[in-house]
Amino acid sequence: DADVTQTPRNRITKTGKRIMLECSQTKGHDRMYWYRQDPGLGLRLIYYSFDVKDINKGEISDGYSVSRQAQAKFSLSLESAIPNQTALYFCATSVSTGRSDTQYFGPGTRLTVL
Amino acid sequence: AQSVAQPEDQVNVAEGNPLTVKCTYSVSGNPYLFWYVQYPNRGLQFLLKYITGDNLVKGSYGFEAEFNKSQTSFHLKKPSALVSDSALYFCAVRDDSSASKIIFGSGTRLSIRP
Repeated sequence: DADVTQTPRNRITKTGKRIMLECSQTKGHDRMYWYRQDPGLGLRLIYYSFDVKDINKGEISDGYSVSRQAQAKFSLSLESAIPNQTALYFCATSVSTGRSDTQYFGPGTRLTVL
Repeated sequence: AQSVAQPEDQVNVAEGNPLTVKCTYSVSGNPYLFWYVQYPNRGLQFLLKYITGDNLVKGSYGFEAEFNKSQTSFHLKKPSALVSDSALYFCAVRDDSSASKIIFGSGTRLSIRP
């Protein structure tokens, strides 16, 4: 979905390196999310932000940090990457005025940690 | 606590036959239920959702889903499968409290053979 973009799309890095994944959206949504996808495990929530001054941990936040630089930007950092953080990472957005919180996803970032 | 289960890792259907992808859920309040589809190398795309009202919900690409409160199920269906329906399908649930987050199932891979 071109309304939600993620950079980079692919990244290979080494254990111990600091990595930042970036997400931008033009949908005007106030809520943003970071998920990771692993085979057989579905999507697991890492962090979420309901507005610029609101940051919340998800179910698997250890080893990750986030920054909400603006309503449209939400970045995910791995301070010291480890191999079990190899996964597909998705950013998503939603709007708080909607009753159901339907989410709109970016194309994903495939991260490999060697 | 919220949870969602997709009991089948893979569903195989012949083109032209009806398909069903199963989903059951558990929430403490009233459920909001979603189906998303993921095509190769793409992010998740919203298919349909149930908030309230008619138990049969119609969505994109000819898909529909039936909410069954007594069985706590929200199975995805399509009367006549297409090869292009082959993808990974995720069921998701949240309850109706404002602070609730969406929980995704582990996904079901749908394979439609010509």
